[in-house]
Amino acid sequence: NAGVTQTPKFRVLKTGQSMTLLCAQDMNHEYMYWYRQDPGMGLRLIHYSVGEGTTAKGEVPDGYNVSRLKKQNFLLGLESAAPSQTSVYFCASSRTPSGGGTLAKNIQYFGAGTRLSVL
Amino acid sequence: DQQVKQNSPSLSVQEGRISILNCDYTNSMFDYFLWYKKYPAEGPTFLISISSIKDKNEDGRFTVFLNKSAKHLSLHIVPSQPGDSAVYFCAASGKFKSSGGSNYKLTFGKGTLLTVNP
Repeated sequence: NAGVTQTPKFRVLKTGQSMTLLCAQDMNHEYMYWYRQDPGMGLRLIHYSVGEGTTAKGEVPDGYNVSRLKKQNFLLGLESAAPSQTSVYFCASSRTPSGGGTLAKNIQYFGAGTRLSVL
Repeated sequence: DQQVKQNSPSLSVQEGRISILNCDYTNSMFDYFLWYKKYPAEGPTFLISISSIKDKNEDGRFTVFLNKSAKHLSLHIVPSQPGDSAVYFCAASGKFKSSGGSNYKLTFGKGTLLTVNP
């Protein structure tokens, strides 16, 4: 059971280049998330998706775009990379809670991360 | 505006002793609190949670205490083991509004690096 898989694990970009980070989950989860983690800071939500074909902005969405064409995949795109986007990016997924509770939705399962450097 | 604060960047304890990791929050509308553990080069993994209507939840060596009046929670690990050495993140679940409508999200603290010495 792979869980949440992120590719690539490492990437170095030059300012202005574009790239796409791929997240795949095999747990049939409805919800998926992209976070970034910077030194001395907690994880900050970039974008999220509550189901196939839907996306929404999180706390720090500027400079990023996302797509959820398939339920199991959530793509994070950088159209024109900037040094401020140097970070570790984590993808996560969670299931829809049953019975109206929110806890199940917020037990999120994370990938191993992508370390991105923008020069 | 940091709504979830972990004021201790690091903590060092001896194997077999108790580890106590602290977390403070400011938003009284948070409904669940979670602790995640993160090893280097891995993603965070869920450890234990507590509902805002409870004051204690226990799972093996891990116990989380919630003091709502003080807006404070703590994670106790007893006994501590070298394998517990990791970064521990406190997270709080709450509603927020975005382009996708109202939804719940996790707000994370900055993390505390726990080192358990043999």
